[in-house]
Amino acid sequence: DIQLTQSPSFLSASVGDRVTITCRASQGISSYLAWYQQKPGKAPKLLIYAASTLQSGVPSRFSGSGSGTEFTLTISSLQPEDFATYYCQQLNSYPLAFGGGTKVEIK
Amino acid sequence: QVQLVQSGAEVKKPGASVKVSCKASGYTFTSYYMHWVRQAPGQGLEWMGIINPSGGSTSYAQKFQGRVTMTRDTSTSTVYMELSSLRSEDTAVYYCARRPQLSMVAGFDPWGQGTLVTVSS
Repeated sequence: DIQLTQSPSFLSASVGDRVTITCRASQGISSYLAWYQQKPGKAPKLLIYAASTLQSGVPSRFSGSGSGTEFTLTISSLQPEDFATYYCQQLNSYPLAFGGGTKVEIK
Repeated sequence: QVQLVQSGAEVKKPGASVKVSCKASGYTFTSYYMHWVRQAPGQGLEWMGIINPSGGSTSYAQKFQGRVTMTRDTSTSTVYMELSSLRSEDTAVYYCARRPQLSMVAGFDPWGQGTLVTVSS
């Protein structure tokens, strides 16, 4: 099974900051990676798929990059509504594992 | 619009079973796979399995093999997830989520609102 390791697990940042979250796969998954945002008490929301393709309706301050085993999610200028937990997910093979999550909190 | 509406919260005793429903609307039910994901309190997301609403075929995570059954009813565009032999560690929010059948790159979108299952004596 493929494991995903996210770092950091916790991040404290200010509005306007540039934020980068890393997701590392235990084996190569090409570009079969998605990123989700989850707010407390809510279902996850798809942000990015195919490692770098923005889901319709997602603000352009979100971007994704990477392939193989190393991936990043970047928020170019953190907004108040972006404080949430972010998860990566590999879509290469079953089981479709998720990373452990990165909680982004207000500094 | 595309919507997945799940059944309400459940409280079960250890050893019992629970069956959660997920009713789809706003799209062709048989053109998308449905996945189930759970989230224990304060924890991350855990993939449980997949059902193909078209033929009913399923694939489950090893961890849940023998305890989980996913079914569908095409007449009502509803999928079901039944988990048996419940234990306290199964206390979690259970989500259904849609994914296109013919795409390896697409993510899960949308998700149901979640169903809290509490296992307590």
